[in-house]
Amino acid sequence: AQSVTQLDSQVPVFEEAPVELRCNYSSSVSVYLFWYVQYPNQGLQLLLKYLSGSTLVKGINGFEAEFNKSQTSFHLRKPSVHISDTAEYFCAVSDQGAQKLVFGQGTRLTINP
Amino acid sequence: EPEVTQTPSHQVTQMGQEVILRCVPISNHLYFYWYRQILGQKVEFLVSFYNNEISEKSEIFDDQFSVERPDGSNFTLKIRSTKLEDSAMYFCASSVTGLAGRELFFGEGSRLTVL
Repeated sequence: AQSVTQLDSQVPVFEEAPVELRCNYSSSVSVYLFWYVQYPNQGLQLLLKYLSGSTLVKGINGFEAEFNKSQTSFHLRKPSVHISDTAEYFCAVSDQGAQKLVFGQGTRLTINP
Repeated sequence: EPEVTQTPSHQVTQMGQEVILRCVPISNHLYFYWYRQILGQKVEFLVSFYNNEISEKSEIFDDQFSVERPDGSNFTLKIRSTKLEDSAMYFCASSVTGLAGRELFFGEGSRLTVL
């Protein structure tokens, strides 16, 4: 069965500092990988996705993630965060051909001035 | 920008009552989903719906749950007899051609509180 583990429930960083949000998954088949962001009182918004090809994926708002098959990881990074990046971030995985996403428990990113 | 809209934003109900949560997916989308998030827990898949039938459902989606697309615009989730453990945020989502390689667009959620 698929599962997703986000190793940090909360990550506090200072504004303009780099950040990495960690995500590991388990699956017995080929997968698609996603990062979603949820701003306060809003729905989930897609940040980026890995389907195939280049393992470094760039998304919106300056975020990027790298797919590492050997380590079954899909960590999210941003070189310099802004106050506006304060949100909850969810990693998700889907088996290729399946219709459901399996989510991690989320990481709350807090940006301090 | 087109968006998925959900109503109500918050509903409080008594245990045993029926609840219908409503969603208006993006107009040219063909795949529809319900997810839920119990407070402090993961977002969980409930059901996917395509071509007027359920294409996949989770173990959570038992006989107490049903989905319907009653007209060309709405997509509803019905809980027949609510339990305390049904209290959660319910998210509707839609996509153009299914999950494989396509983005899911989520609504802002409907918070259900069962007393």
